[in-house]
Amino acid sequence: NAGVTQTPKFRVLKTGQSMTLLCAQDMNHEYMYWYRQDPGMGLRLIHYSVGEGTTAKGEVPDGYNVSRLKKQNFLLGLESAAPSQTSVYFCASRQDRVRSNQPQHFGDGTRLSIL
Amino acid sequence: TQLLEQSPQFLSIQEGENLTVYCNSSSVFSSLQWYRQEPGEGPVLLVTVVTGGEVKKLKRLTFQFGDARKDSSLHITAAQPGDTGLYLCAGEKGATNKLIFGTGTLLAVQP
Repeated sequence: NAGVTQTPKFRVLKTGQSMTLLCAQDMNHEYMYWYRQDPGMGLRLIHYSVGEGTTAKGEVPDGYNVSRLKKQNFLLGLESAAPSQTSVYFCASRQDRVRSNQPQHFGDGTRLSIL
Repeated sequence: TQLLEQSPQFLSIQEGENLTVYCNSSSVFSSLQWYRQEPGEGPVLLVTVVTGGEVKKLKRLTFQFGDARKDSSLHITAAQPGDTGLYLCAGEKGATNKLIFGTGTLLAVQP
């Protein structure tokens, strides 16, 4: 059981380039999340989805777009990459629609550098 | 706005020592989770505390949720090198489906 898989694992971009990060989960989870992790700031929520076809903004959504066309996939797009978007990006999923306190299951991250 | 502050930010100790990590907020949370993250990997859940004053033990790790559900602590007894990692607390407010993560505590246990 793979859990949450993120691709690519590493990427270097030039300022202004665009790219898409892919997150796939095989646990049939309803909720999916994209975070960025920067030193001393923990994890900050970029966008999230509570089901197929739905997305919502998190704490730091500017400069990013997302899509959830299929339940198992959650894509994060950078429209025009900026050096401030250099970070480690984590995808997570969560099972339950009704109960709170459910854990989030994380991928191993995508390390993105913008030059 | 960072609602959850963790202290200390960094901690380097010798094997066998005890330590406590704190997670503080001015907000009330319906539950609080603790995660551990190792280099090159994503966070992994250690425990969830729900009730004010609740104490949970996981081998040498003791987790406590404050009575007012605004803060939490993680105590490690007789730390081992395998405990090395980044410890993150995360709070959930009601049924929002979102977690607010703390700033993290990076622990290094030297053999």
